[in-house]
Amino acid sequence: RKEVEQDPGPFNVPEGATVAFNCTYSNSASQSFFWYRQDCRKEPKLLMSVYSSGNEDGRFTAQLNRASQYISLLIRDSKLSDSATYLCVVNGGGYQKVTFGIGTKLQVIP
Amino acid sequence: SQTIHQWPATLVQPVGSPLSLECTVEGTSNPNLYWYRQAAGRGLQLLFYSVGIGQISSEVPQNLSASRPQDRQFILSSKKLLLSDSGFYLCAWATGQSNEQYFGPGTRLTVT
Repeated sequence: RKEVEQDPGPFNVPEGATVAFNCTYSNSASQSFFWYRQDCRKEPKLLMSVYSSGNEDGRFTAQLNRASQYISLLIRDSKLSDSATYLCVVNGGGYQKVTFGIGTKLQVIP
Repeated sequence: SQTIHQWPATLVQPVGSPLSLECTVEGTSNPNLYWYRQAAGRGLQLLFYSVGIGQISSEVPQNLSASRPQDRQFILSSKKLLLSDSGFYLCAWATGQSNEQYFGPGTRLTVT
């Protein structure tokens, strides 16, 4: 099993739709979790950290399920500008234990 | 506020030539610094990380090396490039225990 697994997509959704991505991780001792956004040929940018209690930032909601070892990202009311690749990141403890998923590509269609 | 710079933005180098990529961070002290490579269609691969001046840890044995001559400067080097070294090289910094990483704009390297 890979350390961090994501469905690469692409997810093609119409504007205004709600879309959700999941990311599973194998290390049960993982300590911190993040979602990054990466536009084509650009650097990844931190979208949000994922806390045990879940967190929300506008149209974006991130949740952590430690029992099932996955994190999720929910995007409501999708905008064309949300089109990007979303990377799941898991910190298994220690500076070298940060693992990036391959990313899920989202395409929002007019 | 913190900013991170990388140069050059793009680079085309022949096989067997040397490489030097530079990354500098402003607005923070004693950051943790990272070099990643992202090959086409693949995830980010951690190459090196550093927790302080002169302290380098390598994650993947290969023909690349890294150095940290100053607190906020991180350099990626190679004596002889291989075709497989082509990719998008990203430098990142982080502070604190949460390890939220912030990336520079990257260098797109093509080895011909």
